[in-house]
Order: sequence, then C-alpha cells, then structure tokens
Amino acid sequence: DVKVTQSSRYLVKRTGEKVFLECVQDMDHENMFWYRQDPGLGLRLIYFSYDVKMKEKGDIPEGYSVSREKKERFSLILESASTNQTSMYLCASRGVTDHYEQYFGPGTRLTVT
Amino acid sequence: TQLLEQSPQFLSIQEGENLTVYCNSSSVFSSLQWYRQEPGEGPVLLVTVVTGGEVKKLKRLTFQFGDARKDSSLHITAAQPGDTGLYLCAGSGAGSYQLTFGKGTKLSVIP
Repeated sequence: DVKVTQSSRYLVKRTGEKVFLECVQDMDHENMFWYRQDPGLGLRLIYFSYDVKMKEKGDIPEGYSVSREKKERFSLILESASTNQTSMYLCASRGVTDHYEQYFGPGTRLTVT
Repeated sequence: TQLLEQSPQFLSIQEGENLTVYCNSSSVFSSLQWYRQEPGEGPVLLVTVVTGGEVKKLKRLTFQFGDARKDSSLHITAAQPGDTGLYLCAGSGAGSYQLTFGKGTKLSVIP
C-alpha cells in the first residue's frame, strides 16, 4: 500500500511566523502535490512537483513556496503565516503509471492566530 | 477550465436506505476517481473508472462512468453508518498532472 505521511496532524502558529509542512511518500512516486481544503471551497491545488527540484504553481500559490530536494519528500513553506492561511493542508503523491490516481496523507490542520 | 459538479451537496439518510451521488461536467475526462474522506483525515481512493460506460462494484458501492466520459455516479445499497463521510469525485484530462475535484457530497447515515 502507498503510504504518505505528513509531519504534523495539528499545528498552531502565530501571524508572521515561517511555517514548514513536510510530506514523505514511500512509493517512489514522481509527482507530489499540496492542497488546502476549506469548507465550501473544496480542495484547491497550491503547488505540485513532477520531479526532484521541479515545481509548478497550482491555482492558489500566493503566500506559499515549496521545496523538493529528494524524491520522497515535498515541503510546503508559508513564508509569513497569516490568519487566512488557517486551513486543512493535504499532501498527495502519484506514480506516472497510474490512471492519475493520487494518494493522500492524513492532513495537517493548521491554525494561525 | 474543467469543472466537476457534485450533487447533492448534503445527504442524510437512515441506515438501510439506498442512495446515489452524481458527478457531472461539460468536459471529457480520461479517467475519474472517487474518494471517501472521514473527518480530520485525508481522502482515501475508492475506485478509478477509465472507459466510457464502465461499471465497477466495491461491495455495496457501485460506480458508473458515463458513456461520453463527462459524468459519473456512485450508488450505495443498504447504507450503513460506516459509509458516513465526504465523497469526492476527481477527474483528469489527457496528459494532465492535475486532478479536477468536485466539492464533495457529505453523507450522514443515521443508525
């Protein structure tokens, strides 16, 4: 089974702090994704990476950056956290041979106060 | 921009009832996935449908992909409280890295 893990299940940060969310997958998948999920808005893609050191902006990249130095690890960085970044953050990975299925981690519930 | 509309948005039913959830688009998708998400957890993949007209069964869940590959449905027979959750459909266009997600159907099955 594919396993995607995220560094924290719950996180509380203050406005202006730099926040790191980490995601690790164990299936040697090439593609990795970061989403945020908000009530009424569904899942929105922040960034994705199709290979090591490669990244592409998703639908809502503003206020975020990402890093992928190793194939199994994809990090999401909030440079200066703001209250409107309070959300559920979901990481996913996908292998190139699948029918585009993505496998999700358990999520990080981030609260910015 | 591809969009997926899910209906209904909310569904509350009694244990033992049947239900159908719909996922519709004006766009053609090369494949479509259904996920279930429990509160506080990430979505879990249930099934992928690829061929127009395809029907897949997973115990009491039946998934169908429309002939034109623009829509899909999920039918649950004799719903149980363990079926409670958010059901998401997601589709991909050919050659795209990204999935387009519907906003989900929140199902509550009351014992």
